[in-house]
Amino acid sequence: GAGVSQSPSNKVTEKGKDVELRCDPISGHTALYWYRQSLGQGLEFLIYFQGNSAPDKSGLPSDRFSAERTGGSVSTLTIQRTQQEDSAVYLCASSRILSGNTIYFGEGSWLTVV
Amino acid sequence: QQQVKQSPQSLIVQKGGIPIINCAYENTAFDYFPWYQQFPGKGPALLIAIRPDVSEKKEGRFTISFNKSAKQFSLHIMDSQPGDSATYFCAASQKAGSYQLTFGKGTKLSVIP
Repeated sequence: GAGVSQSPSNKVTEKGKDVELRCDPISGHTALYWYRQSLGQGLEFLIYFQGNSAPDKSGLPSDRFSAERTGGSVSTLTIQRTQQEDSAVYLCASSRILSGNTIYFGEGSWLTVV
Repeated sequence: QQQVKQSPQSLIVQKGGIPIINCAYENTAFDYFPWYQQFPGKGPALLIAIRPDVSEKKEGRFTISFNKSAKQFSLHIMDSQPGDSATYFCAASQKAGSYQLTFGKGTKLSVIP
């Protein structure tokens, strides 16, 4: 696609429910990143994929968070047993190679846990 | 430990003014320093970036100044316009590992007519 596509754009869920957030990166981009942006805060790194493997999961805040990527393309971020502190915008980004530059972001999935 | 410190948190300038946003980093392994611009409801978009082998880079009205010895870099916006009102994030990354970007906490810029 033309840009990084994320869905849903908005999600309201009840505390304790599981949610899945989807990211479709730019075609041909091998690197994929998930970040979290809380209200008024900077961007917090969650996880990075190179192809289908995730060599860097260091940013996942707890074992309730997991992510996978299939076919070197679409990625899903899953949050189990959601808590109110999980409310944030979840941003996906992709880049062509591990060049450290030109990382393109999607518009994010706004998650509200009530 | 916050590896990239950004200031100020918010900034208000008049149209035509030159807002300056500053960032400082600690990790000397960082070798790529981009700035991102984010409008409400949108994802961050790459604005301009610099590597430590140069002290300044200019693209249009946007200029990055880089001071390697002080481990600081800044964004200057010349002839600022109301359309520049957005949140600006500095970031840094290194070649090793995942190339993940470490972001500052952002500066909300308002340019008033």
